[in-house]
Amino acid sequence: LAKTTQPISMDSYEGQEVNITCSHNNIATNDYITWYQQFPSQGPRFIIQGYKTKVTNEVASLFIPADRKSSTLSLPRVSLSDTAVYYCLVAPSNQAGTALIFGKGTTLSVSS
Amino acid sequence: GAVVSQHPSWVICKSGTSVKIECRSLDFQATTMFWYRQFPKQSLMLMATSNEGSKATYEQGVEKDKFLINHASLTLSTLTVTSAHPEDSSFYICSGNDGNSPLHFGNGTRLTVT
Repeated sequence: LAKTTQPISMDSYEGQEVNITCSHNNIATNDYITWYQQFPSQGPRFIIQGYKTKVTNEVASLFIPADRKSSTLSLPRVSLSDTAVYYCLVAPSNQAGTALIFGKGTTLSVSS
Repeated sequence: GAVVSQHPSWVICKSGTSVKIECRSLDFQATTMFWYRQFPKQSLMLMATSNEGSKATYEQGVEKDKFLINHASLTLSTLTVTSAHPEDSSFYICSGNDGNSPLHFGNGTRLTVT
């Protein structure tokens, strides 16, 4: 499974847009990029998944350049409740039987 | 969809006793489920892959005789921590999917061994 690199931590203020970039230089052709959010003492929660270009849902956008060697999770107008650890993972999409290997993640701290 | 329920959410046990953690897929069938462990301030570490009707596959360094995994049905996998010791205190998380959705995780079980 491709290894990912992302910043250890980021700080932001309420109402700002936050962009977390993840590097995955060895991503395979059949790999998708998936982001999870984890609050303390809870399991990871799926945020968004994409293969190329841009994906948007009700909580975030995911930007993937043409070479797919990196991706950027964009959180619009963050609030205090967005303080969490964010994990970027790459793996063949949704295949039953495929485990996800987590890196260190990015700890996002949102202040008022 | 793809809801994973984990029980209990927290448990305290005495050293030397065993603890069972249940992981259920509520609205899908999971041929495979995964068990992770997470220590404070660290990332999730894959412990084992649980296969319905067959033996689990353990990651290197995880003792299969200590962490017993049973996947008796397509909707239930259990992890039993046998002869628990304080160093087994951790946050245990299960996950699974049906192949049509991203991997979904349970809310974890906080195990404290005294």
